[in-house]
Amino acid sequence: SQQGEEDPQALSIQEGENATMNCSYKTSINNLQWYRQNSGRGLVHLILIRSNEREKHSGRLRVTLDTSKKSSSLLITASRAADTASYFCATIAGGTSYGKLTFGQGTILTVHP
Amino acid sequence: DAGITQSPRHKVTETGTPVTLRCHQTENHRYMYWYRQDPGHGLRLIHYSYGVKDTDKGEVSDGYSVSRSKTEDFLLTLESATSSQTSVYFCAISESADYGYTFGSGTRLTVV
Repeated sequence: SQQGEEDPQALSIQEGENATMNCSYKTSINNLQWYRQNSGRGLVHLILIRSNEREKHSGRLRVTLDTSKKSSSLLITASRAADTASYFCATIAGGTSYGKLTFGQGTILTVHP
Repeated sequence: DAGITQSPRHKVTETGTPVTLRCHQTENHRYMYWYRQDPGHGLRLIHYSYGVKDTDKGEVSDGYSVSRSKTEDFLLTLESATSSQTSVYFCAISESADYGYTFGSGTRLTVV
């Protein structure tokens, strides 16, 4: 079963615009992570936010977490064509010590030059 | 990907044959994972390891076995491959639940 569900499933924007992807999950979490996957490649870890954090930044990435709503969002500012990829949220269940990540099905982001 | 390699990268095999995929890490991470990625299902956990000779089942473990005799190697075996096991298989490593995973580049397996 999928713990995280992303919305939208696909997003198409122009270079320079911001991209926002949302993730909802079902059970309590230890942390929530976002990954990027370029076509035909492995996943790359972008950012991790812990359950006691509400917002985190990394370069052009901003992640928010609302544990009361069991939801998170990933904002990519000033998008570039190179940001074209699939983005996945993934969660580690609360109380877990060795981190079995459960993934959503991802958002396909296309950034047009 | 730095520190983790998967082999082979591509494999075509016949139904009923055994197949072993290898994951090798140079990071000395304790935890290793095997996932499969399929359209419409995202990534699903097959098996994971929390130490040498310590393994456990994930969400979709039927038809798969694993072994970890050394910290650096985690093997995934399909005892008798079926067409439903056609997929892209990813290995991942992590230090603990508080850190992100590092993924390998994947093995594309086709069972004909």
